[in-house]
Amino acid sequence: RKEVEQDPGPFNVPEGATVAFNCTYSNSASQSFFWYRQDCRKEPKLLMSVYSSGNEDGRFTAQLNRASQYISLLIRDSKLSDSATYLCVVSLYSGNTPLVFGKGTRLSVIA
Amino acid sequence: EPEVTQTPSHQVTQMGQEVILRCVPISNHLYFYWYRQILGQKVEFLVSFYNNEISEKSEIFDDQFSVERPDGSNFTLKIRSTKLEDSAMYFCASSEDSGSNEQFFGPGTRLTVL
Repeated sequence: RKEVEQDPGPFNVPEGATVAFNCTYSNSASQSFFWYRQDCRKEPKLLMSVYSSGNEDGRFTAQLNRASQYISLLIRDSKLSDSATYLCVVSLYSGNTPLVFGKGTRLSVIA
Repeated sequence: EPEVTQTPSHQVTQMGQEVILRCVPISNHLYFYWYRQILGQKVEFLVSFYNNEISEKSEIFDDQFSVERPDGSNFTLKIRSTKLEDSAMYFCASSEDSGSNEQFFGPGTRLTVL
């Protein structure tokens, strides 16, 4: 069973659209949750941490459902610059511990 | 804005050769990591390092791999005898001692083993 599962996509959406990504994780003991974005052949860049109460950063909203072991990311008013692969990431323990990555969901925003 | 740097950006080597990949973590960070990403696959954890010693390592990090912090700024990953399957992007990351576990990645070194 994969530790972190994501729909690989690609998601092709027009500019201005709202798009949602989902992710499930297998280890119920996971403590920390993140969304990273990765552009082609570049490093993962931290987009946002995900908190139990849900959190928002501009056009981006992240939700966590511990009972269902499910994480989501919502992007509103998509921009061309949002085109990237979005990585769902968890760590098993609190503190500074290894990150476990999903394979990512690819988003293409089209003009 | 402080960032993690890595050198070289691309390393080509012959199978069986030793390579050293270099990283300069963010200056006030205390935790350092190496990850790798084989082309088309997910990012995988290799090793974490804190207080001048390895704190955790994955199954990938076998005896062919070693890490070192030779001075106050550099953090290196050595592969003693490279194999074809070591070809990948190698990312260094660092995090501060805040407990948030927000890790910041360098631009990576693309290792090609021929």
